[in-house]
Amino acid sequence: DTGVSQDPRHKITKRGQNVTFRCDPISEHNRLYWYRQTLGQGPEFLTYFQNEAQLEKSRLLSDRFSAERPKGSFSTLEIQRTEQGDSAMYLCASSAREWRYFGAGTRLSVL
Amino acid sequence: AQSVAQPEDQVNVAEGNPLTVKCTYSVSGNPYLFWYVQYPNRGLQFLLKYITGDNLVKGSYGFEAEFNKSQTSFHLKKPSALVSDSALYFCAVRFSGNTPLVFGKGTRLSVIA
Repeated sequence: DTGVSQDPRHKITKRGQNVTFRCDPISEHNRLYWYRQTLGQGPEFLTYFQNEAQLEKSRLLSDRFSAERPKGSFSTLEIQRTEQGDSAMYLCASSAREWRYFGAGTRLSVL
Repeated sequence: AQSVAQPEDQVNVAEGNPLTVKCTYSVSGNPYLFWYVQYPNRGLQFLLKYITGDNLVKGSYGFEAEFNKSQTSFHLKKPSALVSDSALYFCAVRFSGNTPLVFGKGTRLSVIA
């Protein structure tokens, strides 16, 4: 499969725990994006990397959220001290041109 | 600020009938417009885009969309709906360059046999 892959597909955690998600983009894509999608809403932009540089962060990305793309390939999104409001689908996308290719997402449930 | 509105939460269509999923946008300058489809437990799949050129753009699976600058709309259309078209459809917009995509809330399309 040469698409965008995300791991894990589902994550259930207790409030206050830390979680980390991984995204592997399409190999030749230098741009990588994280979005969050809650029920009944469209995806909301969180952050964007070009190669290893994080170029933009949304105001949605609180201090508890951190994203990295250390070698310009895969990326991780960490949420510290999770809250119930963090429950959502976290989508990763990559691109080389105008449109994004999305992964299937990681569904986070915070109990 | 750029925004996208999808005025219908749900669209129901009989198989074989034409379908339209509506999208209007608000953005200054020249918009880049996109349609994505989301099937259950799957990521968003790119359907089509308008960047410049012909106002009628054709995309995957027989879908097309018409860019109407005066009405600031970019409605998705298909001449003959299939049951397999049933899914969640998202319209998205951004400026030129690499600004973030802004998505609408989505419209659930149900095609009934």
